Amino acid sequence: GAVVSQHPSWVICKSGTSVKIECRSLDFQATTMFWYRQFPKQSLMLMATSNEGSKATYEQGVEKDKFLINHASLTLSTLTVTSAHPEDSSFYICSGAAGGTDTQYFGPGTRLTVL
Amino acid sequence: QKEVEQDPGPLSVPEGAIVSLNCTYSNSAFQYFMWYRQYSRKGPELLMYTYSSGNKEDGRFTAQVDKSSKYISLFIRDSQPSDSATYLCAMSDTGNQFYFGTGTSLTVIP
Repeated sequence: GAVVSQHPSWVICKSGTSVKIECRSLDFQATTMFWYRQFPKQSLMLMATSNEGSKATYEQGVEKDKFLINHASLTLSTLTVTSAHPEDSSFYICSGAAGGTDTQYFGPGTRLTVL
Repeated sequence: QKEVEQDPGPLSVPEGAIVSLNCTYSNSAFQYFMWYRQYSRKGPELLMYTYSSGNKEDGRFTAQVDKSSKYISLFIRDSQPSDSATYLCAMSDTGNQFYFGTGTSLTVIP
C-alpha cells in the first residue's frame, strides 16, 4: 500500500514558539493532502484540505493564521503551528490522496506537547 | 444529522469470535467506502476499500456495502488480540471530501 511519513513523530515545545510538521508521500504523488488533529480517545477532526500548488481550504473554526499549511509539491505538505499554546497539544495526522484512487493514506501522526 | 454514524462502543469480544462493525450514512451520493484500523497513538491504516455496493473479502476481513439501506459493515472472523484497535469507517462521493465515523473501540480478550 501507499506510504506516508511524518516528521517529527513527537515534539515538545515551549508556549509561544512555532512548530513545523512535515508530511511526505513516499511512493505516490499526493494530489490532495489532509491535516487532522485527534484528542485522546476521540475521532479524527479534519483541519484543512490542500491541493498541490493551491491555498489550503480550512474547516470552520480552524484558524488559518495559526495553522499554516503549505503543499509545495506532490510529495510534501507542511503544517506550522504558530505561537503554540498548551491547548494546541494534540496528535496531528496527515493523509494523502492520489488523484483517481479515491482513498486516503495516513501518516503515523505527530504528537505535539506544548509546555 | 451527521453524515456518518458509527457506534463508538467499546466492544469487547473473546478471542476467536466473529466481530461485526457497522456504519450508517445519510448521503446517497457516497460511492467510495473505506475501513481503517487505528492502534493507540498511531495513524489510521487502510484495511478495506470498496466502490459502490457489494462485498469484498481480504483474509479474515469482509466489507459489505448496502447502498439501498445506506449501511456498511466490516466483519472480522476468528478475531485475535492483535485486532484490538479502533475501527473507523469513511466514505466519499467524489474522492475530494471524506467523511469519517467516530470510530468503534474493539478489544479482543485472549
